Amino acid sequence: AQKITQTQPGMFVQEKEAVTLDCTYDTSDPSYGLFWYKQPSSGEMIFLIYQGSYDQQNATEGRYSLNFQKARKSANLVISASQLGDSAMYFCAMSGSGYSTLTFGKGTMLLVSP
Amino acid sequence: EPEVTQTPSHQVTQMGQEVILRCVPISNHLYFYWYRQILGQKVEFLVSFYNNEISEKSEIFDDQFSVERPDGSNFTLKIRSTKLEDSAMYFCASSLSRTGNQPQHFGDGTRLSIL
Repeated sequence: AQKITQTQPGMFVQEKEAVTLDCTYDTSDPSYGLFWYKQPSSGEMIFLIYQGSYDQQNATEGRYSLNFQKARKSANLVISASQLGDSAMYFCAMSGSGYSTLTFGKGTMLLVSP
Repeated sequence: EPEVTQTPSHQVTQMGQEVILRCVPISNHLYFYWYRQILGQKVEFLVSFYNNEISEKSEIFDDQFSVERPDGSNFTLKIRSTKLEDSAMYFCASSLSRTGNQPQHFGDGTRLSIL
């Protein structure tokens, strides 16, 4: 069974600062994928970034980067230069080898202040 | 950019009634999913669908639920005899392939309210 743990129920950051959202995972699959999704107050789920378990480099997508530490089983999301529009719920999720069902964490609510 | 489309955005139904939630996945995607999110809780997997049949389902997806791809574009979730606890946001998602490295793209969701 797979498990995602997000220990930060809420995070506060000032505009233009960087913020790290924590995610740890547990799985017995040798191959897996790690994803981050953003859910604004309007409710939609927006895909942000993906990291494969065999990828040598940490994934980056614009202001988003994923700090992947395989030995620690962590996949933290780093948002650089926070913007007011980044205020949302952020979910870490994972898939397993051979199947793509996503297991989600409980989420972290990020609030960006001016 | 292509996107997953869900209708309706909000559905209000009396307990015991049947509801059908509709989704149009991204056109070249082959795998389709339904997830639900009860208010304030995490997103939970319901079912995945490929080649006109269910490929995986969770414990939540019991006989009350069914999925169908009635034509080449729509993907539906039917909930029979709805219960109060079925109130949730229901998300449809699609992906290009089944391998775990392909992101699933989500629709904006249907908020289902059972009265």
